[in-house]
Amino acid sequence: DAKTTQPDSMESTEGETVHLPCSHATISGNEYIYWYRQVPLQGPEYVTHGLQQNTTNSMAFLAIASDRKSSTLILPHVSLRDAAVYHCILRVGWQQGTGSKLSFGKGAKLTVSP
Amino acid sequence: GGIITQTPKFLIGQEGQKLTLKCQQNFNHDTMYWYRQDSGKGLRLIYYSITENDLQKGDLSEGYDASREKKSSFSLTVTSAQKNEMAVFLCASRGHANTEVFFGKGTRLTVV
Repeated sequence: DAKTTQPDSMESTEGETVHLPCSHATISGNEYIYWYRQVPLQGPEYVTHGLQQNTTNSMAFLAIASDRKSSTLILPHVSLRDAAVYHCILRVGWQQGTGSKLSFGKGAKLTVSP
Repeated sequence: GGIITQTPKFLIGQEGQKLTLKCQQNFNHDTMYWYRQDSGKGLRLIYYSITENDLQKGDLSEGYDASREKKSSFSLTVTSAQKNEMAVFLCASRGHANTEVFFGKGTRLTVV
């Protein structure tokens, strides 16, 4: 079962800043928070990830709560191309030589209107 | 940059048939994954492999076999296709030191 909780869907308008919430109340100390997004007929695309500190890159800003039980993906000035299903996931079981499994839930469908 | 190529893009099989899906990556990544995605649902891990000839079961391995023939390729076999198996199968890979996972575009399976 997925260990994260997201809203099923969110709506926005072009140019807005969108806040996508994710709850992960049972996160372990060594689990990273990953965000991927997926558009129809494509595999998921990496957006960003973090452990404890907030992170930022060209795609998004990831705000992580101080207790790490929730996080928010912030998309500034969204465009129509940002419409996708956004997956908040935890990286589990990573140790050298054992691989790293990613568990995906349904994700949150972001709709962007002109 | 690299790419993950999944073949075929669309696969139609008959109930009870044995079907094989293929995945190739040119990232030189160590770890490869097979996921299944049903319509409107999340991804479920079937098998993964951390190196050539290695296999690890995921949450949904029953009814599937996998083979990591070489570092760049990872194939998945549906041992006996069932009608409730219609889904998109996604292959992914990750490098040893790189924490980002890259996905292919998927193989869409239809069972008639």
